[in-house]
Amino acid sequence: GNSVTQMEGPVTLSEEAFLTINCTYTATGYPSLFWYVQYPGEGLQLLLKATKADDKGSNKGFEATYRKETTSFHLEKGSVQVSDSAVYFCALSLFYGGSQGNLIFGKGTKLSVKP
Amino acid sequence: NAGVTQTPKFRVLKTGQSMTLLCAQDMNHEYMYWYRQDPGMGLRLIHYSVGEGTTAKGEVPDGYNVSRLKKQNFLLGLESAAPSQTSVYFCASSQLGYGYTFGSGTRLTVV
Repeated sequence: GNSVTQMEGPVTLSEEAFLTINCTYTATGYPSLFWYVQYPGEGLQLLLKATKADDKGSNKGFEATYRKETTSFHLEKGSVQVSDSAVYFCALSLFYGGSQGNLIFGKGTKLSVKP
Repeated sequence: NAGVTQTPKFRVLKTGQSMTLLCAQDMNHEYMYWYRQDPGMGLRLIHYSVGEGTTAKGEVPDGYNVSRLKKQNFLLGLESAAPSQTSVYFCASSQLGYGYTFGSGTRLTVV
């Protein structure tokens, strides 16, 4: 079946450290890939996305590259800030016969950034 | 520009009570979804709809019913609430090629 696996947290970093959150997927077909962020007490916000192999999504200093050969979509940021503390979700969606499928999520990775 | 609005934001139910969660979107999206979020489980799909008048089961549909009588609204019903349904519920909508938009969530506690 279709699934997303992301590294378990929590991840604790000091401000200005480099961040990597690993995400791999299993999918029948060619999925679109997403990273969502959830700040404490809030809903999910789209952070970035990529719709085909070798695409790089980027936003707010975060980047992720769609790697078909390794079925991965790792999230990276060169220098994290305290304000990046949140839960990050990797997700995929597939198209079926011209219809858009639902989002399938990983379990989430909690990031805490210390000053 | 409201996007996706969920009501209520918080609710406490007693075991066996019923309730309906309302999701409304003003973006004319065809697709709508209900997810539940539990610690360490990510978000799991309860039910979804691919258009007005249609509904389908997701990964964890037991104990829930849904209706989509109008394109802009997607209702999630709990007929007889159980403590296992204590969760945070998120509604989302999407349109082909335009991504997914989430509501701010409903925190439900069943005691």
